[in-house]
Parts: sequence; structure tokens; C-alpha cells
Amino acid sequence: AQSVTQPDIHITVSEGASLELRCNYSYGATPYLFWYVQSPGQGLQLLLKYFSGDTLVQGIKGFEAEFKRSQSSFNLRKPSVHWSDAAEYFCAVGQGQGAQKLVFGQGTRLTINP
Amino acid sequence: GAGVSQSPSNKVTEKGKDVELRCDPISGHTALYWYRQSLGQGLEFLIYFQGNSAPDKSGLPSDRFSAERTGGSVSTLTIQRTQQEDSAVYLCASSLELAGRRRQYFGAGTRLSVL
Repeated sequence: AQSVTQPDIHITVSEGASLELRCNYSYGATPYLFWYVQSPGQGLQLLLKYFSGDTLVQGIKGFEAEFKRSQSSFNLRKPSVHWSDAAEYFCAVGQGQGAQKLVFGQGTRLTINP
Repeated sequence: GAGVSQSPSNKVTEKGKDVELRCDPISGHTALYWYRQSLGQGLEFLIYFQGNSAPDKSGLPSDRFSAERTGGSVSTLTIQRTQQEDSAVYLCASSLELAGRRRQYFGAGTRLSVL
């Protein structure tokens, strides 16, 4: 079965600094990969997704992620974080015949220092 | 409505009681999903519906859990004889069709507390 690992449970960065959140997956074929963000009391919001093609994917709110098959990674990046980026971030892989079941990582909580 | 709506937003119940959680998907979305978010297990898939049919129930944690969907719209997740380990946030999502490429839109969830 597919699995997703987010090695960092909690990350703190200063406002304006760059950010990289790590995600590793285990899957035999080309995976469907997603990054979601969850703000306190809110549902999950899709930041970006990768299915095929260009391995550098642009998302909303200035986020991007790069699919690296050789490293089984799909790391999320942002060049300059804003205080409003403080939230929990989840990496997910689509599982099942149509990849419609999402398997999530444990999440990374992002704290922004002023 | 504009988004996925879940009710109630919070539910406190006593151990052994039955609870029903409701999900109203985005109008026109044929696929509906239930997930559970708990401290110990993280975010885990429970069940999905294509129309009113649930072809894969393998994610339901026990036979105390059941779900139905009627009219291709509203879905209800029922937990019978609740246990303390059922305490979690139950998230519902919907998508235009059942396909990995289709974005899943999530509701804000129902926080269930079993005392």
C-alpha cells in the first residue's frame, strides 16, 4: 500500500524567510500527489497537485512543489513566507484504481515568527 | 451551498450512544468521501461514494461504523455504541466525479467527543 512520510512534525520560520516542507512517498507507479493546508478550525484546502508532466508544480498562495522520482519526494516550497501561512500542511498520495482515496502524511505544523 | 457543509460542527456524546454525522456535498458532485482526523492516527480514509453506491468500505474501522448516501446528495456517517477512541474530527469531501484527478473539496468537519 502507498504511504506518505512527512519527517518534520513542526517547523518554525521567520516571516519573510524561505520555506521547504518535506514529503516522501512510497508507490510503484507514477503517483498522484497533493499538498493540502489546514488552518485552525478550517477544512483542508488544496494548494497544488501533480499527476504527470512538468515536475515543478505551481500552486496557490505562492507555493510550489517539485516531484523527484529518484528521491520519491514531493517537497513544498515558498520563497518568502507570510504570517498568514501559519497552519498545518499535509502531503497526500492518491490510492486505489482511480487514485481517488487520499493517503495522508502525518502533517507538518508551521509556525511563523514575526 | 457554495461549499461542503457538515453538521453538527461539534458533538459530545456518552460512551455507548449512537451518533449520526451529516454531510451536504457541493451541488452536482457525484463523488463523496469521509475521512477521520485523530491525534493518534492522523488523517485516514474511511469510505467513498460514487452516487449512492459505496464500492469500497475497507477503511471503516469496525462494524460499528456505517455510512449511506441518498439521492446522490446528502450522506450520513453513523457510529453505533461509540467508544472513546472514536473521538476525532470527521471530515467530508466531495468531487465532481470519482477520479484521482478531480479535486476533493473538504468541509470544516464534525468534532466528535466521546466521554
